[in-house]
Order: sequence, then structure tokens, then C-alpha cells
Amino acid sequence: GAGVSQSPSNKVTEKGKDVELRCDPISGHTALYWYRQSLGQGLEFLIYFQGNSAPDKSGLPSDRFSAERTGGSVSTLTIQRTQQEDSAVYLCASSPPGPGNYGYTFGSGTRLTVV
Amino acid sequence: DAKTTQPTSMDCAEGRAANLPCNHSTISGNEYVYWYRQIHSQGPQYIIHGLKNNETNEMASLIITEDRKSSTLILPHATLRDTAVYYCIDRDSNYQLIWGAGTKLIIKP
Repeated sequence: GAGVSQSPSNKVTEKGKDVELRCDPISGHTALYWYRQSLGQGLEFLIYFQGNSAPDKSGLPSDRFSAERTGGSVSTLTIQRTQQEDSAVYLCASSPPGPGNYGYTFGSGTRLTVV
Repeated sequence: DAKTTQPTSMDCAEGRAANLPCNHSTISGNEYVYWYRQIHSQGPQYIIHGLKNNETNEMASLIITEDRKSSTLILPHATLRDTAVYYCIDRDSNYQLIWGAGTKLIIKP
């Protein structure tokens, strides 16, 4: 597609439920990133994919968070047993292959609210 | 922790040049400086990046000091639509972008 697409755009869930967030990167972009942003804060790195593998999962805040990527394309971020502190905007970005000095294209994010 | 520091907020009059400073005193030789902006409720938008030479594109200019410890993003003729949070980011060796809180730029009519 023309840009990075994320779905859903908004999600309200009850505490303790699992949620799945989806990211469709730009076609041909091999690198994919997940960030989250709490209100009024900068972006917090969660995980990075190169193709289908995740060389860096250091940002995942707990074992309730997991992510996968299939076919070098779509990625899903899963949060199990959601807590109120998980409420944030979850942003996905992708970048093309190469030495890596490229700008990243971000999606519009998924706003997650845990009630 | 973010490796860059920026002022929390700045004002600029519409039509004037907006100059946004950033300190990145611990930047290493192969790390680029990236600038993004985020307009309310949208994902961040890439503006420009550079290594050591000054850069210019259709959106902005980037001036990097000779020692590479700081840089300035210049929006030459700011408009009301340039009101946003501007992030100066230092990209690390794993291609992560480490984000600080950015500068909230308000363009005033």
C-alpha cells in the first residue's frame, strides 16, 4: 500500500483481556518497528523486526507483550491480560532495505484504552 | 535514555524562520541525526537527516556543527500548519531511534 496501515485505529478493552494490534508495512520494507507513546510523552521502543526475525526485543515491557511478523510483511503485537498502564498509542513504522540511513514511515497508530 | 536534548517548547511568528536546536554531545562517528515531527493525533513524520554535512530538502534545512555535538533544524517560512512536536533523534547501531520528549513548536499568527 501507499503507507503504513495499522488496525484498529482505536481499541477499548477491559482489564485482563487480551488484545491484538496489526501493522501492514509499506510493501518491500524489510524493517518494522513497534513503539508506544503515552499521553504527552515521547516514543518508547518496543521491538524491531528485520524480515521475520526480531533481533531486538529489549523494549518489550513484560512477558505479557509479544509480537510476530509473517511473510516479511504483516506484524501483530499481542498484549495478554491487559492492565491500565498499557493504555497508550501503539505506533508501527517500517523502512526499506539497505545500509539503513533512511527515514522511517510511521502509521497513524492504534489508541489502546484499558478500562 | 534519550541521547539528545531539546528545549521543551518554542514559539515562532508565522512567516518567520523557526530554528530548533538539539544537543547530541555523545553522538558517535557513524550515527546520523534524524528529525521528525508529530502533529497532534498523527504518527511521526520524517523531516530530514544528516551525518556531518548540512542538508536541505523541500521541508527544512539541517545545520550540524563541525564537532557534531549539536544541530539546528530550520523551517525557513513557518506556517500555522508547522505547529507540532519536533523530535531530534540519534540513531544507534541497531537502527533504533531513541526518542526524547521533543520540542513543542507553536507558530503564532
